[in-house]
Amino acid sequence: AQSVSQHNHHVILSEAASLELGCNYSYGGTVNLFWYVQYPGQHLQLLLKYFSGDPLVKGIKGFEAEFIKSKFSFNLRKPSVQWSDTAEYFCAVNDNNAGNMLTFGGGTRLMVKP
Amino acid sequence: DVKVTQSSRYLVKRTGEKVFLECVQDMDHENMFWYRQDPGLGLRLIYFSYDVKMKEKGDIPEGYSVSREKKERFSLILESASTNQTSMYLCASSSGQGVRGANVLTFGAGSRLTVL
Repeated sequence: AQSVSQHNHHVILSEAASLELGCNYSYGGTVNLFWYVQYPGQHLQLLLKYFSGDPLVKGIKGFEAEFIKSKFSFNLRKPSVQWSDTAEYFCAVNDNNAGNMLTFGGGTRLMVKP
Repeated sequence: DVKVTQSSRYLVKRTGEKVFLECVQDMDHENMFWYRQDPGLGLRLIYFSYDVKMKEKGDIPEGYSVSREKKERFSLILESASTNQTSMYLCASSSGQGVRGANVLTFGAGSRLTVL
């Protein structure tokens, strides 16, 4: 079965610092990759997605993620975080054995200090 | 702009009680999902449905059942609540347009259930 690991459970940064959140998955075949975000008091929402093509994908609010197939990774990055990026971030993976099901990682709680 | 509505934001129930969590979506989505969210464990899929009256077990279906009598409504049922079912429950929906459409989920606000 697919597993998704987010190694950083809690991250604290100051504004303007650079961000990289790790995500690794276990399945070696064709995958679709996602980052979802949950801002305080809000619904989970899609941040960005990768299906195929350019492994560097851009999302909303200046976020990007890079798919590195050889490393089974899909790390999330932002060059300069803002206080409003404080949220919980979830990596999710769908593989071609799983039909319509997503497997989520454990989440990373990001706090940005003003 | 409400899209996925969960009927109860907070519930407190006693061990052994039957619990119904209701979810309604207004986007005419084929797929609907129930997840539970626990700290450090992320989201774990309980059940999903890809059509009316159809259901599939997710990763942790034990102790739960679901009902989908209408396309827009997907209910999660705890037949006899236990304390280890205290959690945040999230409903989501997605379109049926292939795997890509199916994985772009729209979530509800969540229902926080406490079982005493």
